[in-house]
Amino acid sequence: DIVMTQSPLSLPVAPGEPASISCRSSQSLLHSSGFDYLDWYLQKPGQSPQLLIFLGSNRASGVPERFSGSGSATNFTLRISRVEAEDVGVYYCMHVGQSRPSTFGQGTKLQIK
Amino acid sequence: EVQLVESGGGLVQPGGCLRLSCAASGFTFSNFWFHWVRQVPGKGLVWVSRISSDGSHTTYTDSVEGRFTVSRDNAKNTLFLHMNSLRDEDTAVYYCARDSYLETSGSYYGLDLWGQGTTVTVSS
Repeated sequence: DIVMTQSPLSLPVAPGEPASISCRSSQSLLHSSGFDYLDWYLQKPGQSPQLLIFLGSNRASGVPERFSGSGSATNFTLRISRVEAEDVGVYYCMHVGQSRPSTFGQGTKLQIK
Repeated sequence: EVQLVESGGGLVQPGGCLRLSCAASGFTFSNFWFHWVRQVPGKGLVWVSRISSDGSHTTYTDSVEGRFTVSRDNAKNTLFLHMNSLRDEDTAVYYCARDSYLETSGSYYGLDLWGQGTTVTVSS
């Protein structure tokens, strides 16, 4: 199965400052369709996960513009241009396998300094 | 209201079985694929299983292959996870999530709807 590796695992950020999370996969996530099947999810404290980014770089409905995703194949990045207090939680990258198992990264806990 | 509601969790002894349900409402259930994801409290998300819109395609993580079975009843808008030969390490909160993959077009928009989770505890 594909292994997803996130870094850092802990990310203290001051309000208004940018933040960046890396996600690397053990195999290319580039599908024959031309899309990278890599999503980003945020799990806020006490809540279920919520979708932020799909197919590597597409913001989900209702997700603020300060969130952006980039990358391709095996290297992906989630960026927050200016962190706000409501962004606290654990961020996960996830590969959705079209005909094989899916996998999550270990999670990155974002905290406000 | 568009929502997923899991149920069926509880305390079960090692080696026992349990059936989780995920009731969908507010959307056309039969159009969507679904996933089961679990999480030990305080730990990360772990993908468990995925099922196609008509139930003909299923995928599992290695640790549950042969013990868990995902199924669905499109007439009743309900997703199931049948769990057999349960182990201590299956203890977790189990979430169902809607997969926005559309087979007709090949389009995909992420796991865009999640339930609140149901807790499974395997212990003697």
